[in-house]
Amino acid sequence: DAGITQSPRHKVTETGTPVTLRCHQTENHRYMYWYRQDPGHGLRLIHYSYGVKDTDKGEVSDGYSVSRSKTEDFLLTLESATSSQTSVYFCAIKDSRTNEKLFFGSGTQLSVL
Amino acid sequence: EDKVVQSPLSLVVHEGDTVTLNCSYEVTNFRSLLWYKQEKKAPTFLFMLTSSGIEKKSGRLSSILDKKELFSILNITATQTGDSAVYLCAVVFPDDKIIFGKGTRLHILP
Repeated sequence: DAGITQSPRHKVTETGTPVTLRCHQTENHRYMYWYRQDPGHGLRLIHYSYGVKDTDKGEVSDGYSVSRSKTEDFLLTLESATSSQTSVYFCAIKDSRTNEKLFFGSGTQLSVL
Repeated sequence: EDKVVQSPLSLVVHEGDTVTLNCSYEVTNFRSLLWYKQEKKAPTFLFMLTSSGIEKKSGRLSSILDKKELFSILNITATQTGDSAVYLCAVVFPDDKIIFGKGTRLHILP
């Protein structure tokens, strides 16, 4: 699992509340990614990071923000959750040794009611 | 617009058949193409392709990239029910964005 831990594994929240998902890695990889997965859409990139405090937007970044204050942690925040953000969220790290392969965390199932 | 397009989106075959899954992309400046298999949980890595014409193989699975025609294929021979999964391809861009296609859902009938 390349030392990736996502938390929480499951969360149910209400519309309008802020939500933060955490991705933690233990192998000091530089690149970290957040994706969401919905039926019929595959994996869509939300934000990614290429180092501490270095982040960039992906395909579906509206309504999401990220922070990376330490190499090992990449946080995804939904400032004001909406029902359209109900999804499975995957964190991934890019293996620094091969520089291309992505390894995924176990995912967070988020339900916004 | 979709930069990475997979086809077919869904496929049902019988055990023992050979399948070919397609991934086309609308970019010329990319670093590599990745294939993943996803069953019930997180995607697992299958292949990374960087050079055109070089086939990667792992058991009954193989993949090849055609940079000129902008596509890749994933072949699975002698399919088994355990091959049932969603197969995803992704393109790695020079700015390190990694964009996935929608995936092909493969179902193998016994």
